[in-house]
Amino acid sequence: DIVMTQTPLSSPVTLGQPASISCRSSQSLVHSDGNTYLSWLHQRPGQPPRLLIYKISNRFSGVPDRFSGSGAGADFTLKISRVEAEDVGVYYCMQATQFPYTFGQGTKLEIK
Amino acid sequence: EVQLLESGGGLVQPGGSLRLSCAASGFTFSSYAMSWVRQAPGKGLECVSTITSNGGGTYYADSVKGRFTISRDNSKSTLYLQVNSLRAEDTAVYYCARGRLAPDYWGQGTLVTVSS
Repeated sequence: DIVMTQTPLSSPVTLGQPASISCRSSQSLVHSDGNTYLSWLHQRPGQPPRLLIYKISNRFSGVPDRFSGSGAGADFTLKISRVEAEDVGVYYCMQATQFPYTFGQGTKLEIK
Repeated sequence: EVQLLESGGGLVQPGGSLRLSCAASGFTFSSYAMSWVRQAPGKGLECVSTITSNGGGTYYADSVKGRFTISRDNSKSTLYLQVNSLRAEDTAVYYCARGRLAPDYWGQGTLVTVSS
C-alpha cells in the first residue's frame, strides 16, 4: 500500500498569516494514464470531509483561491495564503493512483 | 444540489451484519463511481470500498475483503454496503462519497458501533 505522510501534524497559525502542509508518498503517484491523483480534503469538527484540491493543483468548485496545491511525483504541498477562522480543522492528503486509496494522518490547523 | 444520505448504521454485536445505504440525488448517479470511506472515533480516514459507475468493477481494502460487499442500484440512485462478520475495529462513521479518484461530495455519514 502507498503510505502518505503529512507534516506537520499540528499547525498553530495566526489569522491572516500563511500556512503550509506537506504530504509525501512512499512511491510516485504518477498514474499510467499520466495523471497524478493527489487530492486535499478539509474536515471541520463534526462534519464530513470536503474536497479542496484534486490532481495536485486543481481547486474544486467553490474553494477560495487562497488555497493552492503544488508538487509532483511523491512530494506535495497545500498552501493557504491568508488563514481565516473558517479554515480550522483537519487537512488530509489522499492518493487515488493505486488501490487501496490511502490518506495521510491528517494535519490539525488551529488558530493561535 | 448534490445530496448523499446514508442510513442503516447502528449498534451490532461482534459477528453481526448490517446493510448500509446511501441515497443520492441532484446528479446523474449512474454516471459516477462511488466510494465508502470510514472514520473510526477520533481517527483518520480509510477508503474501504469503491465501485465503478456501472457496478462492473469493485475494490476493497484488505481489512474488509471477504466481509464487506459494495453494490449499487442505478435505477434507485442508491449505493449499498453489506457489512458482515463485524469486528470491534469496524466501529466507525461510514461515509459515502461521489467519485473515487477525487471524492467530491460526501454524505453526513452513518455510525456503526460493534460491541457486545
